[in-house]
Amino acid sequence: DAGVIQSPRHEVTEMGQEVTLRCKPISGHDYLFWYRQTMMRGLELLIYFNNNVPIDDSGMPEDRFSAKMPNASFSTLKIQPSEPRDSAVYFCASSLGPGTAAGYTFGSGTRLTVV
Amino acid sequence: DAKTTQPPSMDCAEGRAANLPCNHSTISGNEYVYWYRQIHSQGPQYIIHGLKNNETNEMASLIITEDRKSSTLILPHATLRDTAVYYCIVRVFNSGYALNFGKGTSLLVTP
Repeated sequence: DAGVIQSPRHEVTEMGQEVTLRCKPISGHDYLFWYRQTMMRGLELLIYFNNNVPIDDSGMPEDRFSAKMPNASFSTLKIQPSEPRDSAVYFCASSLGPGTAAGYTFGSGTRLTVV
Repeated sequence: DAKTTQPPSMDCAEGRAANLPCNHSTISGNEYVYWYRQIHSQGPQYIIHGLKNNETNEMASLIITEDRKSSTLILPHATLRDTAVYYCIVRVFNSGYALNFGKGTSLLVTP
């Protein structure tokens, strides 16, 4: 099993540009989560999906952020337009439904720098 | 979810047991204790979880006090690769299913 795969690993973009982060969850996992991590705020949950349907997006900072999960094997997090304060490491995680002993499996993250 | 309190940092000598405490005095009867860790530049990694009985797996042991108001994660023989931030999370097992990570304990294992 390749685990949760995120791309790109690093992204540097200019303020105002659109940024798209990608995630491939573990096959068979029916929950997918997007987290953001900064030094100041730690790990923050942005949004999560169950069976491709967004369940809670209350952590999405503002309308510039959007997330989609068109199928069970792919999700995107888009920022448009990007701002310097969006610079952070973005993690995707997946899991089986409630009751699994394995918990979450996280990807390696995408380090986003907006200049 | 119940609030947790962890020391911000701890040191441990390589080869010795690392005992990481967590206070969760407001835990309710249906809330589990989860432990995750995050090694620098990597995503968090699940370690172990439990309800009221002590648990052990290949990575660690989890000791939960009888009143369930605190717990201790034990790494029996810490190695340099165990240097990481350790998060103690308390939540109901199957509701909402979003884990909220606090600040955790930064464990430094020294040679």
